[in-house]
Amino acid sequence: GAVVSQHPSWVICKSGTSVKIECRSLDFQATTMFWYRQFPKQSLMLMATSNEGSKATYEQGVEKDKFLINHASLTLSTLTVTSAHPEDSSFYICSARYRLAPYEQYFGPGTRLTVT
Amino acid sequence: QKEVEQDPGPLSVPEGAIVSLNCTYSNSAFQYFMWYRQYSRKGPELLMYTYSSGNKEDGRFTAQVDKSSKYISLFIRDSQPSDSATYLCAMSERETSGSRLTFGEGTQLTVNP
Repeated sequence: GAVVSQHPSWVICKSGTSVKIECRSLDFQATTMFWYRQFPKQSLMLMATSNEGSKATYEQGVEKDKFLINHASLTLSTLTVTSAHPEDSSFYICSARYRLAPYEQYFGPGTRLTVT
Repeated sequence: QKEVEQDPGPLSVPEGAIVSLNCTYSNSAFQYFMWYRQYSRKGPELLMYTYSSGNKEDGRFTAQVDKSSKYISLFIRDSQPSDSATYLCAMSERETSGSRLTFGEGTQLTVNP
């Protein structure tokens, strides 16, 4: 149980285009989903917290107009990287909260974005 | 100063060795302490969690928390090549719907057969 999927697992796009990444909780309902960014050999940096039916809360320094987050249902959240640039190339990971406890947060397999 | 400090390694040990992974932190409000394992190009998976101070054991893994020293450890006994991964410590202040995890940098571990 508590499986989280992400799609796509890998995407290459041209500079200036937009890319949408989906995060789904497959066997549970997640009122809260989190989006992280991870550079090679670095830790996960929280980008935003997404609650179903409300606007996402972005961490300091994260451009909300560039990284659009939509949490339309209890099982789906999307991250859209708008007007992508090479510096946006990274590994994007989502997690979904199963229950209130902090350790009840399950991670997706990640999406590798490469912007050329 | 980072809230959570973790030696990034890399750490290389022979099969069967005892591995010790550590994190220090500065935020005294942290109450929940987690260890995650992340294989290359995969999402993290939860290994252990501890609430407040103390020890917790699960098979070959033991997690220790010393809140007075703001120091946590993960011990792996009888390490196996399949344990080769990056290990991330993570911490959280409280159990609410919006509580966030703060991660360490991760320690890359290689267990050699």
